[in-house]
Amino acid sequence: DVKVTQSSRYLVKRTGEKVFLECVQDMDHENMFWYRQDPGLGLRLIYFSYDVKMKEKGDIPEGYSVSREKKERFSLILESASTNQTSMYLCASSPLVGLGRGNSPLHFGNGTRLTVT
Amino acid sequence: AQKITQTQPGMFVQEKEAVTLDCTYDTSDQSYGLFWYKQPSSGEMIFLIYQGSYDEQNATEGRYSLNFQKARKSANLVISASQLGDSAMYFCAMRANRNTGNQFYFGTGTSLTVIP
Repeated sequence: DVKVTQSSRYLVKRTGEKVFLECVQDMDHENMFWYRQDPGLGLRLIYFSYDVKMKEKGDIPEGYSVSREKKERFSLILESASTNQTSMYLCASSPLVGLGRGNSPLHFGNGTRLTVT
Repeated sequence: AQKITQTQPGMFVQEKEAVTLDCTYDTSDQSYGLFWYKQPSSGEMIFLIYQGSYDEQNATEGRYSLNFQKARKSANLVISASQLGDSAMYFCAMRANRNTGNQFYFGTGTSLTVIP
C-alpha cells in the first residue's frame, strides 16, 4: 500500500513564525501536491511538484513556498505565518500518468491541522 | 481553465436507499480522468472510483457507480443501498495533463448524511 506520511497531525504556531510542514511518500511517485482544505471551499491546490527540484504554483500560492530536494519528500513552508493560514493541510502523491490515462488516483496523507494564533 | 462544480452542499438519504451526488466539470482537454473521494469525519481521504475520459462504460466499484455523460460534462456518483457508514464528505476531482506533470482539481464537496 502507498503510504503518505505528514509529520504532524496538529500544529499550533504564532503569527510571524516560519512553519515547515513535511510530507514523505514511499512509492517513488513523481507527482506530489500540497492542498489546503477549508469548509465550503473544498481542496485548493497550493503547490505541486512533478520532479525533484521542480515546482509549480497552484491556485493559492501566496504566502507559501515549497521544497523538493529528494523525490520522496515535499515540504511546505509558511515564511511568516498569519491567522488566515489556519487550516487543514493535505499532502498527496501520484505516479506520473502520460496522456492522462490510467487509474492512478491521488494518495493522501492524514492531514495537518494548523492553527496560527 | 479547469473547474469542478458540486452544487449540493448537503444531502440526506434514508438507509438502504440509493443516492446520486452531482458533479460537473469544465475542460478543453480530450484526455482526462475523473475521481470520487470520500472523507469521513476522521479526515482521511479515501479513493472510491475512477472514470477515464476515453472509457465507454460507466465505472462501477461495489455499491459505487459513476454515471458518466461526456457530452454534458457530468460525472455523478451513485451510491446504492446506503449504509450509516456512508455518512461523510464526498469530493469529485479531475486529473488533467500539463507539460509539467498531472494536476488534480477538486470540487467543494457534498456532505452526505444517511438517516437510519
